Amino acid sequence: GAGVSQSPSNKVTEKGKDVELRCDPISGHTALYWYRQSLGQGLEFLIYFQGNSAPDKSGLPSDRFSAERTGGSVSTLTIQRTQQEDSAVYLCASSSPRVYNEQFFGPGTRLTVL
Amino acid sequence: GDSVTQMEGPVTLSEEAFLTINCTYTATGYPSLFWYVQYPGEGLQLLLKATKADDKGSNKGFEATYRKETTSFHLEKGSVQVSDSAVYFCALSDMKTSYDKVIFGPGTSLSVIP
Repeated sequence: GAGVSQSPSNKVTEKGKDVELRCDPISGHTALYWYRQSLGQGLEFLIYFQGNSAPDKSGLPSDRFSAERTGGSVSTLTIQRTQQEDSAVYLCASSSPRVYNEQFFGPGTRLTVL
Repeated sequence: GDSVTQMEGPVTLSEEAFLTINCTYTATGYPSLFWYVQYPGEGLQLLLKATKADDKGSNKGFEATYRKETTSFHLEKGSVQVSDSAVYFCALSDMKTSYDKVIFGPGTSLSVIP
């Protein structure tokens, strides 16, 4: 596709349920990033992928959060046993080593935990 | 560690007013500096960037100059339009990690009224 896509665009879930958020990066982009944007807050870095490996997971807030990337393309962010404080917009971005430092963002998934 | 500070919003301006959004950073070494913009309901997109001291980034009438002596990267536009209403994020990228990790400021919301 032309840009980064994310699904679903909105997700409402009950506390304690697991959720999966999907990101499709721009074709050919080797780097992929997940961020969390809480209401009125900036972007909180969660995890970085280079290809299928994640050399930087330092931003994952707890062991309830995990992410994987397969085929150097699609990535899934999984949140287990969701809590109300997990409510936020989850943004995915990708970048190409040929475009210095520029990250291309998807529209985000708005997660609401009731 | 590295960090980015922005002026707090929200900022409300009348159409054709002059805009300044202040941004200062803390970093060791020589980071690259960015402004990203997030229009309502959309993901972030790169607005402009500067990679070394005294560089000026510009795009869509917006400008920002990399000032190493004051560690600043203020965003300016001479005459704002209603369509400029968005959230603006200042960011830096350092090369100390094994990849170009981008650190974002908290964002400044701009509303332009006719």
